Amino acid sequence: AQRVTQPEKLLSVFKGAPVELKCNYSYSGSPELFWYVQYSRQRLQLLLRHISRESIKGFTADLNKGETSFHLKKPFAQEEDSAMYYCANVGHSGGGADGLTFGKGTHLIIQP
Amino acid sequence: ETGVTQTPRHLVMGMTNKKSLKCEQHLGHNAMYWYKQSAKKPLELMFVYNFKEQTENNSVPSRFSPECPNSSHLFLHLHTLQPEDSALYLCASSQVQGRAEEKLFFGSGTQLSVL
Repeated sequence: AQRVTQPEKLLSVFKGAPVELKCNYSYSGSPELFWYVQYSRQRLQLLLRHISRESIKGFTADLNKGETSFHLKKPFAQEEDSAMYYCANVGHSGGGADGLTFGKGTHLIIQP
Repeated sequence: ETGVTQTPRHLVMGMTNKKSLKCEQHLGHNAMYWYKQSAKKPLELMFVYNFKEQTENNSVPSRFSPECPNSSHLFLHLHTLQPEDSALYLCASSQVQGRAEEKLFFGSGTQLSVL
């Protein structure tokens, strides 16, 4: 079965420090990966998707097929980045695409 | 309200009750999803509807019964639940099911407690 692993339940860094949220996936085909974010008292929302190769709020994520990783990075953390971050992959079963498979999430805390 | 709306926000029910969760989206999307978010597990996909047709049932027990009367509305009917079913139930929608460029829009969820 397809899996998305986020090894860190909690990550605490100081403001201005670099941030890296780890995500590894298990899928033998071409993955379709996303990062979703949930700020306090807000809905889960899309942060970025690998297909777009975009940088959102200073965050980037590069797909590394060799390491089966899609780590989320930001060079200088800001206090407003504190949130729950979820890595997700589009499921594939029976040859078709299904809903997203999510990791357990990483709670990022940015300390002042 | 625009976006994805879920009602009720909170629900407490006994194991013998029957209740329904409602989800409505005003985004013109064709795919709708039910996810379960428990305290110690990742978000779990439960059901997927694409153009009102159920395209995925992720081995969900029959005490959970989804209904999608049209592309804008999605229900989750609950009966004879167990305490371990207590969780946050999230509804989401997207333009079309499961493509790499698709973006899911989530509702605020229904926090369910089964006593």
